[in-house]
Amino acid sequence: DGGITQSPKYLFRKEGQNVTLSCEQNLNHDAMYWYRQDPGQGLRLIYYSQIVNDFQKGDIAEGYSVSREKKESFPLTVTSAQKNPTAFYLCASSDRGLSSPLHFGNGTRLTVT
Amino acid sequence: GDSVTQMEGPVTLSEEAFLTINCTYTATGYPSLFWYVQYPGEGLQLLLKATKADDKGSNKGFEATYRKETTSFHLEKGSVQVSDSAVYFCALSVDYGGSQGNLIFGKGTKLSVKP
Repeated sequence: DGGITQSPKYLFRKEGQNVTLSCEQNLNHDAMYWYRQDPGQGLRLIYYSQIVNDFQKGDIAEGYSVSREKKESFPLTVTSAQKNPTAFYLCASSDRGLSSPLHFGNGTRLTVT
Repeated sequence: GDSVTQMEGPVTLSEEAFLTINCTYTATGYPSLFWYVQYPGEGLQLLLKATKADDKGSNKGFEATYRKETTSFHLEKGSVQVSDSAVYFCALSVDYGGSQGNLIFGKGTKLSVKP
């Protein structure tokens, strides 16, 4: 079955450590996205990529980095510079086109202590 | 800028009650409109969409009509079930001069349905 796989589902890190969240899709979608979800704040866009080897900052990119070396993969690194990294992170992908919906993974819950 | 405003929750209903979740938007372009649903511990799933004025999206008994004159896309269901308990997000995608825009989400409305 086609879909988006995020791993791991739960991730725990100590403050000051970088951590990388995995996102893989087999839907052959060009565009991929990372969102952060906090209680009561909806979804906020971190980074997005519309094509391999290219990506753009979203609304809250500070303290995060991404790469897009392969069409099917879009890993997100949460760096030690991110002041409030504890959150639920969602990866998504879509076809090109304004009416193309996003397909989401099941998310990674990151806890930093 | 472009934005989505949806009614704050939580919304608590009894089974078989009528549901309305209000959503209004502001956009300078020509948006497509979406409703997504999120069940506990999961990612979001597309519930329905509408791509132009007066379009009605529908799925699983849910409906929403794209109203350009009132800039609204309210979600409705005639008879809710316990299994509809989830968080519902309204979202829009806007054309920025021909390039694909990204989705702008509302803050979500949590629905709880009691048996």
